[in-house]
Amino acid sequence: GQNIDQPTEMTATEGAIVQINCTYQTSGFNGLFWYQQHAGEAPTFLSYNVLDGLEEKGRFSSFLSRSKGYSYLLLKELQMKDSASYLCAPWGGYNKLIFGAGTRLAVHP
Amino acid sequence: DVKVTQSSRYLVKRTGEKVFLECVQDMDHENMFWYRQDPGLGLRLIYFSYDVKMKEKGDIPEGYSVSREKKERFSLILESASTNQTSMYLCASSFTDSGSHPSYEQYFGPGTRLTVT
Repeated sequence: GQNIDQPTEMTATEGAIVQINCTYQTSGFNGLFWYQQHAGEAPTFLSYNVLDGLEEKGRFSSFLSRSKGYSYLLLKELQMKDSASYLCAPWGGYNKLIFGAGTRLAVHP
Repeated sequence: DVKVTQSSRYLVKRTGEKVFLECVQDMDHENMFWYRQDPGLGLRLIYFSYDVKMKEKGDIPEGYSVSREKKERFSLILESASTNQTSMYLCASSFTDSGSHPSYEQYFGPGTRLTVT
């Protein structure tokens, strides 16, 4: 079967660091995407991991462990505009992404 | 810039009506997708298409059909709308795998919030 698990909600303070975890079980696996979705808007691409390890992209980094079925998204120097939902999406092959329910992050001053 | 557009941002229909949701992309993408998004359930794939006139069922195809007569356009059809189809509908598109990751990145439209009363 296919299962993606990420926390439903998180809160953090402006300027802090937050880590959003994602564990997954999929029938096929070629890589993992993270998307950001602001309320009422479409998801937008944040990062992609295909190999184990950390991919850094400015304030955002994403980590993957294929053997553990685990990924996390790390957001540094949090800003108010980072308040959004973050969707973990393993790529199961054949052009299909499988989306988790998302983690709603609230950043407070 | 990749652009995916959807015909309506908000739509209100009555139970039993036939509903058409249109999606157009301007990047010559082979793949197009229809999702619905509900609170607590995330994005669920309804149908996808990897070529003109080709379609594949996603995870929740019941009550829906699709049409892809042209590469840039992918339509979602609710043959007889029901209240449990009230949802946010998102269209996305992507290139076919060329061996490198960016080809699988999905670009999303702004969404259509459908209410069936």
